[in-house]
Amino acid sequence: NAGVTQTPKFQVLKTGQSMTLQCAQDMNHNSMYWYRQDPGMGLRLIYYSASEGTTDKGEVPNGYNVSRLNKREFSLRLESAAPSQTSVYFCASSGRQGGYEQYFGPGTRLTVT
Amino acid sequence: QQQVKQSPQSLIVQKGGISIINCAYENTAFDYFPWYQQFPGKGPALLIAIRPDVSEKKEGRFTISFNKSAKQFSLHIMDSQPGDSATYFCAARGPTDKLIFGTGTRLQVFP
Repeated sequence: NAGVTQTPKFQVLKTGQSMTLQCAQDMNHNSMYWYRQDPGMGLRLIYYSASEGTTDKGEVPNGYNVSRLNKREFSLRLESAAPSQTSVYFCASSGRQGGYEQYFGPGTRLTVT
Repeated sequence: QQQVKQSPQSLIVQKGGISIINCAYENTAFDYFPWYQQFPGKGPALLIAIRPDVSEKKEGRFTISFNKSAKQFSLHIMDSQPGDSATYFCAARGPTDKLIFGTGTRLQVFP
């Protein structure tokens, strides 16, 4: 039982490049989330998916797109990376919509130069 | 208001001492207040949570105190240990069922 897995662990991009961050969970959870963590800013919600087939914007969605591929997988895409998107990205899942117990992955550290 | 304000930003405590982290909120529609613990290089993990109709919840050395009238809640870590050194986030669950996180407190416990 791996919980929430994320790939890659580290990534360096040049400004304007695109990439997709992958997330998968094996806990049969309905809800999945993408957060970014920046020093002094806490965790800020980018997008979330309450169930398979639905996605909604969070607090900081600009510059990102998401896909809920199936119940297990939720990917985050940066179409044209900018230095302001340098951050640590966390995927999380919870067993029900609005569940306060969210299970987090190990994170992806992204640097955009 | 959707913000959750957390203080202090960092905290240094001696082994055996009490660590206290405070959070404040404005939105009275928040209905759950969890605390998350994050070790370096790891994702956050739920530590303890409280509902607004309860004034205190204790789990081992960790206690949440909740003051509904003041719209404040705090995490107390009794007998702090070096293994408690981590970043702690308070959070609140809003009316749209999303969690709003505080900015985090980096706790260092020295032997």
